[in-house]
Formats: sequence, C-alpha cells, structure tokens
Amino acid sequence: QQQVKQSPQSLIVQKGGISIINCAYENTAFDYFPWYQQFPGKGPALLIAIRPDVSEKKEGRFTISFNKSAKQFSLHIMDSQPGDSATYFCAASGGGNKLTFGTGTQLKVEL
Amino acid sequence: NAGVTQTPKFQVLKTGQSMTLQCAQDMNHNSMYWYRQDPGMGLRLIYYSASEGTTDKGEVPNGYNVSRLNKREFSLRLESAAPSQTSVYFCASRQGVTEAFFGQGTRLTVV
Repeated sequence: QQQVKQSPQSLIVQKGGISIINCAYENTAFDYFPWYQQFPGKGPALLIAIRPDVSEKKEGRFTISFNKSAKQFSLHIMDSQPGDSATYFCAASGGGNKLTFGTGTQLKVEL
Repeated sequence: NAGVTQTPKFQVLKTGQSMTLQCAQDMNHNSMYWYRQDPGMGLRLIYYSASEGTTDKGEVPNGYNVSRLNKREFSLRLESAAPSQTSVYFCASRQGVTEAFFGQGTRLTVV
C-alpha cells in the first residue's frame, strides 16, 4: 500500500516553463513533507521541505504548495532549466521517524 | 566530512548466496534507513532504525535482516539472495525530523 502517491511518473517541459509535480497522502500523522532530487548514479538529496503549519514555502525557483485539508502537496519549479532534469521524489514523515517516499517523477527539460 | 558511506558500490551474487551491505555515517545521527530503488517503484523502505538499539520493518522487509551495530553503522543482510532482490540499495541517516542524507548506493545484481 503506497502511503504517498505521486504523479506524473514522467514530465517533459520546455526551458523556461513551469514544472509541477503532485503528491497525496493518507496518514494524518505525517508532519514533515520533503522533496528530494536525484541525478543518475547519485543518491537523492534534499531540495526543499515543508511542515503542515504553512501553506507555501519558496526557495529560489522551487516552491512547495501544501493543502492540509485535501492531504495534498505539490512542487513547482519556475523557469525550468535543462540542469533541473532529474528524478524528483516527494516524501512524508511523522511519528516513529519513518520516512516514506513517493514513486518518483522523471523530469526532462528541453531546450 | 564523508557523510553516509556505503560498501560495496557494485555486487553480483548468485541465487542463494548471502551478503551484507554496509553503511556508516559520521554525522552522529540517531536514525538510519535502508531503501531499495526499482524503476517505477520509487524508493521503498526495507528497514529503519529510529535510534541505536532499535530496528523496525518498513514496506518490503521480507528476505532481509538488519543490524544496528552502533550509532554509526547499520548493515543490511541478504541471507539467501533471489533475482527479485536485484536493485539499487540506498542507506540514509537523519537526526530527528529533518533532512535525510543518502549514500551513493549499492547496485546489486542477483543472477
């Protein structure tokens, strides 16, 4: 049973466009929602994270939008660049320190 | 500062053989995790250790055992490897509900 559902599985965006990746969760005990970025042959690395007491967090071109009532959160990448081409994972954590990941989104930014 | 170190980086096993994947972190983190990554499946949690002396099952624990040897080290053992365990394995660590740091991964092939 996938506790964190992520979509789409893959995404192609033109350079300068907006990339949007969505995640939904079921467990209301989750209280920390990070996004990780992974390049081929590397381990995932933290991109940005949010806690449920805020609805939005922005760091540079990356923004998390969080909807607690809908149990959904999304990653927006503004002005997408070819260097953003990677796999993105949403995750959720809460109670007992378990950290659960979504299935990942392969993003390709074309010139 | 090495962060999270996994050994080996690559391994080929024959069906039925056993092996131990090693993971060590030098950040004094309490929690450590083992994940497997398969195409289209994302990162699935095998086992985790919230603190030294404790271990808990994740989503896909069957066929694996773990040992939290001390605060620094968390090993994953395959007692009788099966082709279905062909995957990329990642170890991660974190302190509380914060950023998780990942190793570079172990690419395991079971033939």
